[in-house]
Amino acid sequence: AQSVTQLGSHVSVSEGALVLLRCNYSSSVPPYLFWYVQYPNQGLQLLLKYTTGATLVKGINGFEAEFKKSETSFHLTKPSAHMSDAAEYFCAVSGPNAGKSTFGDGTTLTVKP
Amino acid sequence: DTAVSQTPKYLVTQMGNDKSIKCEQNLGHDTMYWYKQDSKKFLKIMFSYNNKELIINETVPNRFSPKSPDKAHLNLHINSLELGDSAVYFCASSQEGTGEETQYFGLGTRLLVL
Repeated sequence: AQSVTQLGSHVSVSEGALVLLRCNYSSSVPPYLFWYVQYPNQGLQLLLKYTTGATLVKGINGFEAEFKKSETSFHLTKPSAHMSDAAEYFCAVSGPNAGKSTFGDGTTLTVKP
Repeated sequence: DTAVSQTPKYLVTQMGNDKSIKCEQNLGHDTMYWYKQDSKKFLKIMFSYNNKELIINETVPNRFSPKSPDKAHLNLHINSLELGDSAVYFCASSQEGTGEETQYFGLGTRLLVL
């Protein structure tokens, strides 16, 4: 069984500040981990993912995440927030031949001018 | 040339009616999914099809019936609509459905049951 916990349903940062969105997972097999972003009235789109290899993963729009097996975490960061980053962010976990991803409850990111 | 397209985008209907949502993907993927996103933005998988075969059927009322006429299409028919069915329904697709692939989502169908 797999599960995802996103700590903080709402995160608010000032423009230019560091963005940190937290994700912890539970998995009985080596996990595949994803971050998706959902802009208002849109579908989800992939920001980045970890499957194997390098644990620091870089994605689109300046986001990156680090897989930490010992902490069962996959936190999403961006050094400097832009107004356009305001959106809903979902962490998801899957596994080999899982056939599906399990999504977290989402974190709403607000960026203040 | 949208990758995953859903129709309609909005659907407003009365309780008790039957409605269908259509989904098509032009990415050549083998696996398609239906998700339900509620008013709190929680996203739950409902069904998954791989090459027209039902792979995943989560705990969903049997009023919901998916149909995949071919691997590029996955439709969702809902009978006897209830107020609680109001949500945004997303279709998605991925290459094989083994778990490590990226899922590509449609823009969603916003269903409101009155």
